[in-house]
Amino acid sequence: DQQVKQNSPSLSVQEGRISILNCDYTNSMFDYFLWYKKYPAEGPTFLISISSIKDKNEDGRFTVFLNKSAKHLSLHIVPSQPGDSAVYFCAARGRGNTGKLIFGQGTTLQVKP
Amino acid sequence: GAVVSQHPSWVICKSGTSVKIECRSLDFQATTMFWYRQFPKQSLMLMATSNEGSKATYEQGVEKDKFLINHASLTLSTLTVTSAHPEDSSFYICSARPEGTASYNEQFFGPGTRLTVL
Repeated sequence: DQQVKQNSPSLSVQEGRISILNCDYTNSMFDYFLWYKKYPAEGPTFLISISSIKDKNEDGRFTVFLNKSAKHLSLHIVPSQPGDSAVYFCAARGRGNTGKLIFGQGTTLQVKP
Repeated sequence: GAVVSQHPSWVICKSGTSVKIECRSLDFQATTMFWYRQFPKQSLMLMATSNEGSKATYEQGVEKDKFLINHASLTLSTLTVTSAHPEDSSFYICSARPEGTASYNEQFFGPGTRLTVL
C-alpha cells in the first residue's frame, strides 16, 4: 500500500514560469513532510520541509503548501530554472523519533530554457 | 556541509556471490543510518535502520539474513548482500543522521551504489 503518492511521473515547464509538484498521502499520523531533489546516479538532497502543524513554508524560490484535510502537499518553484531539472521526491515521517521516511514515487521535472 | 560517501559507486557481480557496500559519514558522527533501495522509476524504499552498536531494524519483507547490516562505528555502516541474485540488482542508497539531532532535515544521503548481478 503506497502511503505517499506522487501521481504525476513527469512535468515540463518553461524557464521563468512556476513549477507545481504534487504529493498525496493516506496516513494522518505523519507529522513531518519533506521534499528532496535527486539527480541520476546521485543520492537525494534535502530541499524544504514542513511540519504538520503548519500550512506553508517558504525558502527562497521554494514554497511547500500543506492541506491536511485533503492530505495533500505541493511544492512550488518560482521562477523555475533549467538547473531545477531533476527528480523530486516527497517524503513523510511518522510520529515518534525513528527518523524513518516514506517516499513517494518521484516526479521528473524538466525546465526548458 | 555534512557529507556521506558510499563505496563502491557501482559493482557488477556474478549470481551467488556476496557484495559489501560501505556508507561513511565523513565529517560528522551518525548514531543512525538508513539503507534504501530504489528500482528503476520507483520510489526509494527503506530497507532497514542501522543503529550504532546494536542490531539493525529491518522493514517488513526485507530478509535480514540476506541483507546483513553492520554499524560498527559512528561513521561507518555496511550492507552486505549475500548470495546475490539478478533480482537484487538495484540502486542502494544510505543516509546518515547526525548524532544528537531529532531534525529530519539533517538526514544526509550518500550518492548511492548501483549493483548489477549477472
